[in-house]
Amino acid sequence: DAMVIQNPRYQVTQFGKPVTLSCSQTLNHNVMYWYQQKSSQAPKLLFHYYDKDFNNEADTPDNFQSRRPNTSFCFLDIRSPGLGDAAMYLCATSRDLRPQHFGDGTRLSIL
Amino acid sequence: GDSVTQMEGPVTLSEEAFLTINCTYTATGYPSLFWYVQYPGEGLQLLLKATKADDKGSNKGFEATYRKETTSFHLEKGSVQVSDSAVYFCALRYSGGSNYKLTFGKGTLLTVNP
Repeated sequence: DAMVIQNPRYQVTQFGKPVTLSCSQTLNHNVMYWYQQKSSQAPKLLFHYYDKDFNNEADTPDNFQSRRPNTSFCFLDIRSPGLGDAAMYLCATSRDLRPQHFGDGTRLSIL
Repeated sequence: GDSVTQMEGPVTLSEEAFLTINCTYTATGYPSLFWYVQYPGEGLQLLLKATKADDKGSNKGFEATYRKETTSFHLEKGSVQVSDSAVYFCALRYSGGSNYKLTFGKGTLLTVNP
């Protein structure tokens, strides 16, 4: 089945130690998104790629960056994680402005 | 700015009960409206959508009608099942242009007991 796959499902890192989360898709969608979802809160868009064009939300901290080496893969890099960055990170894809398809998320814990 | 307000949860119902989860929005213009569902341990799945006023979205027995006059998109189901237990998110996005951002409500946890 075509899908959005996030690895790993659970990630633990140390305060200040860089961490990378991965997302891959078999849907051949041209748009990929990263959302942050803190406990009992709404998912919040961090940024998205339209093809290779990167679009950052105005309130996304500089600590968060992303790479999209090809259509199928997208990475979320957190350069120096703080305790406040502990959250579920959701990857989503879409074909243009059609509805978004989500992965199962990566839960990030900071020690 | 744009915002979505959902009724506070959690909501606990018995099987076969009627479900309503209220959702209202604040936005300029005419957004598209969505309901997403998140089952335990999984990502969000699109449940239904409506793109213009008076549209009714429906799927798996769930319905929601886009009410421009009351800026609402309430989710309803006539008879819930245990398998409907999940978190439900209301969301909006502007149609057209290049606005890809989904704005979500905080989610409503539904628990259905046998």
